[in-house]
Amino acid sequence: GAVVSQHPSWVICKSGTSVKIECRSLDFQATTMFWYRQFPKQSLMLMATSNEGSKATYEQGVEKDKFLINHASLTLSTLTVTSAHPEDSSFYICSARDAGYEQYFGPGTRLTVT
Amino acid sequence: RKEVEQDPGPFNVPEGATVAFNCTYSNSASQSFFWYRQDCRKEPKLLMSVYSSGNEDGRFTAQLNRASQYISLLIRDSKLSDSATYLCVVLWNYGGSQGNLIFGKGTKLSVKP
Repeated sequence: GAVVSQHPSWVICKSGTSVKIECRSLDFQATTMFWYRQFPKQSLMLMATSNEGSKATYEQGVEKDKFLINHASLTLSTLTVTSAHPEDSSFYICSARDAGYEQYFGPGTRLTVT
Repeated sequence: RKEVEQDPGPFNVPEGATVAFNCTYSNSASQSFFWYRQDCRKEPKLLMSVYSSGNEDGRFTAQLNRASQYISLLIRDSKLSDSATYLCVVLWNYGGSQGNLIFGKGTKLSVKP
């Protein structure tokens, strides 16, 4: 099946710094990529949807200036958490959708902000 | 009202038991339905789609009742490896978009020897 990778798989950073997470579709072109966030014992919450070459669409309550999304190619999307704070500590999961509308999830990135 | 609701569990069952999970969704315009499995600290993985006619995949049976906006998952002959969190997921199409997956919080299953 289709493979989606994320890098890094985990990261620890200091409060106030920025962190970039990469999401790649390895063997297919992703027309749409999604970014989710999951806090402990909570459901996956969609943060934003991005289509290649256009601006991301953010869900209500998600600050677009804090969570910068770049979808520069059909195989790569990046999420940058700017000026991270401890409350941003979470499990960030990307997902990529192929032309057939199948959606595949990356392995996730665990972010800890100290 | 939450969009997708599930009993969080945990369900603690012995090996070989049959266990059933339920899920309700609030948006009657929801178009597609799925059960995902998520292991601890891992990404969710598609277990099976759910169809109105009901569908079965080995020990797993999924049912959908559109009138009641209710989805179920039945696991027969539970194995230790079935221990995970089971996520009820609904696809909404809106505004002409291809739709977004809406996740329930999940039901945790623990199968004991």
